[in-house]
Amino acid sequence: NAGVTQTPKFRVLKTGQSMTLLCAQDMNHEYMYWYRQDPGMGLRLIHYSVGEGTTAKGEVPDGYNVSRLKKQNFLLGLESAAPSQTSVYFCASKGGAGEWRVFGPGTRLTVT
Amino acid sequence: GENVEQHPSTLSVQEGDSAVIKCTYSDSASNYFPWYKQELGKRPQLIIDIRSNVGEKKDQRIAVTLNKTAKHFSLHITETQPEDSAVYFCAASEGYSTLTFGKGTMLLVSP
Repeated sequence: NAGVTQTPKFRVLKTGQSMTLLCAQDMNHEYMYWYRQDPGMGLRLIHYSVGEGTTAKGEVPDGYNVSRLKKQNFLLGLESAAPSQTSVYFCASKGGAGEWRVFGPGTRLTVT
Repeated sequence: GENVEQHPSTLSVQEGDSAVIKCTYSDSASNYFPWYKQELGKRPQLIIDIRSNVGEKKDQRIAVTLNKTAKHFSLHITETQPEDSAVYFCAASEGYSTLTFGKGTMLLVSP
């Protein structure tokens, strides 16, 4: 039981490049989330999904897209990376109502 | 939407002292209040949570209190140890989809 995993762990992009971050969970959780963490800003929700095939915008969705084609995977895409997207990205998942979120180990992204 | 304010941003205590971190929230509909601990370079991990139908919850050296009328909740750590040093985040949720986090408190426990 791996819990929540994220790929890759680190990535450096140049401005304008694109990439996809993969989040995978093996707990059969319905809910999945993408957060970004910046110094002094806490964790801010980018997008989330309440089930396979669904996505919704969070607090800071601009510049990102997501897809949830399979229940166990939640993809976060950056179509044209900007330096403002330099951050640590955390994926999380949650089971049914009332359960807490389980976080992945994070992806450190630097955009130069 | 929900807004969560957390204080202080940094807190330094001596080993064995108590530490208190306070949070306020804006949405009276919020009913779930978790606390996460994040060690340097690690992922956030849930340490305790409380629901709006409960005023206080304890787990060994950690306790959380909730005042719904005043819309604030607090984390209390007693007999602090160096391994308690970390960043602590409070959060509030009005439902099961989204969770709004405070900006975090860096707790430093000196031996």
